[in-house]
Amino acid sequence: KQEVTQIPAALSVPEGENLVLNCSFTDSAIYNLQWFRQDPGKGLTSLLLIQSSQREQTSGRLNASLDKSSGRSTLYIAASQPGDSATYLCAVTPLMKAAGNKLTFGGGTRVLVKP
Amino acid sequence: EAGVTQFPSHSVIEKGQTVTLRCDPISGHDNLYWYRRVMGKEIKFLLHFVKESKQDESGMPNNRFLAERTGGTYSTLKVQPAELEDSGVYFCASSLLGYGYTFGSGTRLTVV
Repeated sequence: KQEVTQIPAALSVPEGENLVLNCSFTDSAIYNLQWFRQDPGKGLTSLLLIQSSQREQTSGRLNASLDKSSGRSTLYIAASQPGDSATYLCAVTPLMKAAGNKLTFGGGTRVLVKP
Repeated sequence: EAGVTQFPSHSVIEKGQTVTLRCDPISGHDNLYWYRRVMGKEIKFLLHFVKESKQDESGMPNNRFLAERTGGTYSTLKVQPAELEDSGVYFCASSLLGYGYTFGSGTRLTVV
C-alpha cells in the first residue's frame, strides 16, 4: 500500500529565502508525481507534474526533482514571496493500470512567507 | 474554459440528515473523481467515474455514501444518514486523459 509523507508539516520563512519542501513515498512503482498548491478555502492547483521517467520539472521559480529509486521528490521555490504562502501537497499516481488513476496524497506542508 | 464546479461550497447539517453534493466537471472530461479530506488527515480517494460508469469505488467508506453520474455529465455524492465523522472537505476532480487533474474548490461539510 502506497504511503506518501511530507516533512515538515509547517514551515515559516522570511521573504526572499528559498523554500525546500520534501515528499517521500514508499512504493517506487509510480506513473507520475504531482505537486499541488492549496490556498485556504480554495481547490487544488497543479504546479508541476513529473513523469516517472523524468528527473525534474521547472516552471518559473519552481523546480521539482524526482528520485524514484529512493522514493523522494523535492519542490524548490526560489526567492520566496508572501504570495507563496499556502499549503503544498504532493501526490503520486500508481504505475499499474489495475490500480486505477487515483492519487495518493501526502499530508501537505503549510508554508508561511513573512514580509 | 470553465473549471470544475462544486456546490454547495459549505453545508452544515445535523447528524442523521441527508446531504447531496454536486460536481460539474469540465465539459468533455470523461474521468471524474471524488476525494475528501477529514480534519488532520490526508486527502483520500473515494471513487472514480469513467463517463457514467464507476471505474473504482474502493475508497467509499461505507454504504451511507452513494455516488452517481447520470449521463456521464455532472455527478452527485449523497450521504445518508450523515454521521459526525463525515465532516470534512469533499473535492471533485476531472480529467480528460486520466492523468492531468483539475480540481474543484471543494465542499466543506460539517455534521453537528
